Amino acid sequence: DTGVSQDPRHKITKRGQNVTFRCDPISEHNRLYWYRQTLGQGPEFLTYFQNEAQLEKSRLLSDRFSAERPKGSFSTLEIQRTEQGDSAMYLCASSLITWAGGPQPQHFGDGTRLSIL
Amino acid sequence: DAKTTQPNSMESNEEEPVHLPCNHSTISGTDYIHWYRQLPSQGPEYVIHGLTSNVNNRMASLAIAEDRKSSTLILHRATLRDAAVYYCIRGANDMRFGAGTRLTVKP
Repeated sequence: DTGVSQDPRHKITKRGQNVTFRCDPISEHNRLYWYRQTLGQGPEFLTYFQNEAQLEKSRLLSDRFSAERPKGSFSTLEIQRTEQGDSAMYLCASSLITWAGGPQPQHFGDGTRLSIL
Repeated sequence: DAKTTQPNSMESNEEEPVHLPCNHSTISGTDYIHWYRQLPSQGPEYVIHGLTSNVNNRMASLAIAEDRKSSTLILHRATLRDAAVYYCIRGANDMRFGAGTRLTVKP
């Protein structure tokens, strides 16, 4: 399967610990997005990269959150000093943007579910 | 602020058409309208998108009002596998999802 993969699928940690999630996009895709989703709500945009450049960050992305995409391929999302409110599903998506036309579909992974004890 | 308004839930019978409405009255001239759906325990799945003209693909049709302040996603024959939360989104890179419409399909 060559879709977007996320690792781990589930993460349980104690409050105050740091966690890191990984996203492997579809190989030829140059854009990568991170979203957060809480129960009963739609995904909330966090940030996106074009190749290795982080082009936009939501106000939701506090100083405790950092995302990287060092070589323009996989990406990591780190949360430092986790809090109860960080419990959510973290979704990654990728797309291929060309200069020929409008937006291209985003392909989502199945997410990493984070539970803070 | 999701900037779109959708009903919380809708029901349909299997093999009947389904029309899912969306209001986006503050849409700008360059905003596309995107539809995604999400099945339980999965990430969202792209359905269709458009700018001004009606669009068709193998999954669905998108009817966009002439003033672009509303749109309708049409599933021509609902199946049980179409039961999902459907999201209507306006925008470009930073897609703002709302709570979506939960579609229930009855056999």
